[in-house]
Amino acid sequence: DQQVKQNSPSLSVQEGRISILNCDYTNSMFDYFLWYKKYPAEGPTFLISISSIKDKNEDGRFTVFLNKSAKHLSLHIVPSQPGDSAVYFCAASQRKLGNTDKLIFGTGTRLQVFP
Amino acid sequence: KAGVTQTPRYLIKTRGQQVTLSCSPISGHRSVSWYQQTPGQGLQFLFEYFSETQRNKGNFPGRFSGRQFSNSRSEMNVSTLELGDSALYLCASSLNLPYEQYFGPGTRLTVT
Repeated sequence: DQQVKQNSPSLSVQEGRISILNCDYTNSMFDYFLWYKKYPAEGPTFLISISSIKDKNEDGRFTVFLNKSAKHLSLHIVPSQPGDSAVYFCAASQRKLGNTDKLIFGTGTRLQVFP
Repeated sequence: KAGVTQTPRYLIKTRGQQVTLSCSPISGHRSVSWYQQTPGQGLQFLFEYFSETQRNKGNFPGRFSGRQFSNSRSEMNVSTLELGDSALYLCASSLNLPYEQYFGPGTRLTVT
């Protein structure tokens, strides 16, 4: 049972345009969401997070939107740059449990930004 | 500050053998989590340790085990290796909730 889903395995965007990566979840108990970026031969790198008490969090070119009623979050990258080409994972956790740092990951979306 | 380190980076083992992977967290981080990454499955949570105690465990068979030492370094052991255990094993550390996890580069395990 995949609790966190990234239905688009790949996305191709032109440099300078907006990249929108989507993520859906099924567990309404999730209260903290994160996005990670992964280059080949490296571990995932933390990008941005959002708590369920918010619906938007912005950090430079990266913005995460959370729609709790739809159980959907998205990552917007504006403007997209060739260096953004990587696999992006969304992840979720139940931090209200207070006793675990378990992250549930999606299967990833491969973003390619072309000139 | 040094990042999360994992050793070895690459490993080739034969079916039926056992393997031990090592993870050194960022200095000061007390939580260490392990994940398995395979194509098409994303990252699957194995277990998390905090202050030498296993705090949570994923849905993996008992062949997968781990431990954490007093200096927060952690090891993961897989016994009786199967072909399906071939994967990238990632370790991540964090200060504690609600801080973000930071990942190491992973250990690429190939079982033949």
